[in-house]
Amino acid sequence: SAVISQKPSRDICQRGTSLTIQCQVDSQVTMMFWYRQQPGQSLTLIATANQGSEATYESGFVIDKFPISRPNLTFSTLTVSNMSPEDSSIYLCSVDSAGSDEQFFGPGTRLTVL
Amino acid sequence: AQSVTQPDIHITVSEGASLELRCNYSYGATPYLFWYVQSPGQGLQLLLKYFSGDTLVQGIKGFEAEFKRSQSSFNLRKPSVHWSDAAEYFCAVGVGDYKLSFGAGTTVTVRA
Repeated sequence: SAVISQKPSRDICQRGTSLTIQCQVDSQVTMMFWYRQQPGQSLTLIATANQGSEATYESGFVIDKFPISRPNLTFSTLTVSNMSPEDSSIYLCSVDSAGSDEQFFGPGTRLTVL
Repeated sequence: AQSVTQPDIHITVSEGASLELRCNYSYGATPYLFWYVQSPGQGLQLLLKYFSGDTLVQGIKGFEAEFKRSQSSFNLRKPSVHWSDAAEYFCAVGVGDYKLSFGAGTTVTVRA
């Protein structure tokens, strides 16, 4: 299994600002993903973070709003840009374990936008 | 389109009683199916998974799930729940490229 850490664990931000969330894995992984869990909701996939190339976004999510970096096989960042209260959610990083279709999730970043 | 339905939003069960959480999926190919648990303030933990083979899958914490292709279901069961099983449970299906599509979740409350 993979051990995943996320920073920050939580934050409270002002409308119009941006927040960058970091995801660090203790081993090299091929696939990294970013999910959003809005209050009382299920998880929705935002994008696949691709190492060495642009992220692949799901329908309804765009790079300008959620820029993603993946500089190497153990690290990724997700930025939530120009935040509004609707962006208040838990953001989770996940990784696929050696192409096994078994995903491991980070502890999440709880974001509140005022 | 692939989808996962968890018909029960909230289930309350007495400690020591059995638990069954329903999950139905819609997917064109042979599905990869998962159950995750999310305890309050915690991340998601994988309980069990089904890829192929034996349709009755054993997981951690005493959970099991049965894949029924004819019913497009993957229900989660536990014979005797503990207070620590109170959590949110998510069923998910692999939708290709190692991505997951999640159901809406079922909240389980355990009463003493």
